[in-house]
Amino acid sequence: QVQLVESGGGVVQPGRSLRLSCVVSGFTFDSYGMHWVRQAPGKGLEWVAVISYEGRNKDYAGSVKGRFTISRDNSKNTLYLQMNSLRADDTAVYYCAKGPRYDSTPYPQDYWGQGTLVTVSS
Amino acid sequence: DIQMTQSPSTLSASVGDTVTITCRASQSISNWLAWYQQKPGKAPKLLIYRASGLETGVPSRFSGSGSGTEFTLTITSLQPDDFASYYCQHYSSSSWTFGQGTKVEIK
Repeated sequence: QVQLVESGGGVVQPGRSLRLSCVVSGFTFDSYGMHWVRQAPGKGLEWVAVISYEGRNKDYAGSVKGRFTISRDNSKNTLYLQMNSLRADDTAVYYCAKGPRYDSTPYPQDYWGQGTLVTVSS
Repeated sequence: DIQMTQSPSTLSASVGDTVTITCRASQSISNWLAWYQQKPGKAPKLLIYRASGLETGVPSRFSGSGSGTEFTLTITSLQPDDFASYYCQHYSSSSWTFGQGTKVEIK
């Protein structure tokens, strides 16, 4: 079955960096786009970043552009989110989520990990 | 950027009720709209894609409709398991935007 498992969250001081990982199984990872979505405590969902199946194309929400970098290692079935210059308002649960196949029409995120909590605080 | 606005923010209902949640887009998005259910401490679960397509395994009491800028999610005969938060999402090949969410609570 499809599984996505995030890790790497924790407490970090403002201005510091953190890297999240998401290991996937149960589908052909290198054929699917992947996303990161976050949710601040008690708040709604916010799309963060997307990467194409081969890693060539990436896009970011305006709130993280220039500070966060999405990447993937298809040989390890792993998605990453490098977060630099962290701010208090980056505090959230970060979810990785599966996107559509490279050759399909747009499709929403159909499988999600359990999330990893990032707390930015001094 | 396309903005998605849901209403109401909170909805009180009883088991067996039919409830409707509305989602409006700031410009036409055709039918590129999804609905998710989220329970506390859990990841979102995809319910509806392309405005009215029922995701595999989702009960038929959930239905979606609409196109352009106005969309609805309807839950008929509300079950205890349905008390949760619901989010609409515009998606495309280059844009993903969530509504602010609607909490369905027990009356």
